Amino acid sequence: GNSVTQMEGPVTLSEEAFLTINCTYTATGYPSLFWYVQYPGEGLQLLLKATKADDKGSNKGFEATYRKETTSFHLEKGSVQVSDSAVYFCALTSTGSGSARQLTFGSGTQLTVLP
Amino acid sequence: NAGVMQNPRHLVRRRGQEARLRCSPMKGHSHVYWYRQLPEEGLKFMVYLQKENIIDESGMPKERFSAEFPKEGPSILRIQQVVRGDSAAYFCASSPISDSSPLHFGNGTRLTVT
Repeated sequence: GNSVTQMEGPVTLSEEAFLTINCTYTATGYPSLFWYVQYPGEGLQLLLKATKADDKGSNKGFEATYRKETTSFHLEKGSVQVSDSAVYFCALTSTGSGSARQLTFGSGTQLTVLP
Repeated sequence: NAGVMQNPRHLVRRRGQEARLRCSPMKGHSHVYWYRQLPEEGLKFMVYLQKENIIDESGMPKERFSAEFPKEGPSILRIQQVVRGDSAAYFCASSPISDSSPLHFGNGTRLTVT
């Protein structure tokens, strides 16, 4: 079955620090990979995605590269801001099933950025 | 352009009562998904519906839980005879017909069972 393993949190960084949140996956077929962000009291928002190997998703200074050889999709940002404080979820959806759009999520990583 | 609308935002029920959670998908979206987020955990898929059809309910508990998406009106997730373990955030997501577009999530309903 499909699974996503995310770096354990919480992660606390100072403003302008470099961020990496690790994500590895197990999936059948050719999954699409996603990072979602959840701000306090809100639903999930799509941050970025990649649909095939070697694709790089990017948005708001965040990046993640789909690495098929290491089954990874690590999230990075060169300089975090206080406003980036949130919970980040790695997720995948695989093709070839009757419910191709069903997302499998990691457990989430809480990020706190201090001024 | 309203997003996915869920109501209520917060719902408190006593053990044994029924909980009804509503979800109106984005305009033009005909696919609805329900996910549950238990405290300190990621989201878990529950059910996938299209208008008047349940496509995949592999994540739904076998008893007390049901979902519908009628031809008219919002999608409803219904939990009968709630127990404390049902306390969680329930998120609805929608998508258009195309499989290439990502899911859009609502802000969730936080159910507390006392």
